[in-house]
Amino acid sequence: DQQVKQNSPSLSVQEGRISILNCDYTNSMFDYFLWYKKYPAEGPTFLISISSIKDKNEDGRFTVFLNKSAKHLSLHIVPSQPGDSAVYFCAADPRGVSQGNLIFGKGTKLSVKP
Amino acid sequence: DSGVTQTPKHLITATGQRVTLRCSPRSGDLSVYWYQQSLDQGLQFLIQYYNGEERAKGNILERFSAQQFPDLHSELNLSSLELGDSALYFCASSESGTLSYEQYFGPGTRLTVT
Repeated sequence: DQQVKQNSPSLSVQEGRISILNCDYTNSMFDYFLWYKKYPAEGPTFLISISSIKDKNEDGRFTVFLNKSAKHLSLHIVPSQPGDSAVYFCAADPRGVSQGNLIFGKGTKLSVKP
Repeated sequence: DSGVTQTPKHLITATGQRVTLRCSPRSGDLSVYWYQQSLDQGLQFLIQYYNGEERAKGNILERFSAQQFPDLHSELNLSSLELGDSALYFCASSESGTLSYEQYFGPGTRLTVT
């Protein structure tokens, strides 16, 4: 059973518009969440994270929102750029259960069209 | 470039065979993680080593084993290979082994079992 779910396999947006990638999780014990970006033929790269004590974390064009009651987080990219085209993975760190290893969603492929 | 190297990049082998995947962590990183990404799956955590000792175990099959050597490089051994073992295998490293966002991923080894 998937503990971290990204229900949209793909998303296409126009350059300059907002990209919203969504992620749901099932375990209320999860208290740290991360987003990774992956280009073809490369490994995932850490993008941004959020602790469960916050509901928002911002880094430049990237903002992650966390709704603990809904067990939902989202990544907003504003404005979207063609270089943002990649697969985005949501991950949870189950620190209450283990140390350091991550539970990943299946990823959402973002295409930003010029 | 994350500083994590993985060899080989591609590997094609037959069912029933045994292969070894190699990972060299970033300089100074003591912890190594192995992940498997199968078709239509997110990254699945397999196993973590910290300074030569196994620290955490995920969904790793009994046919798979790993070790971390004194020079901190790690090897993932896959034996009695099945078609379903075809996947991308990622290695990640971190300094402390406990902070998720520290994980830096290598480019992966693509294993094809025919």
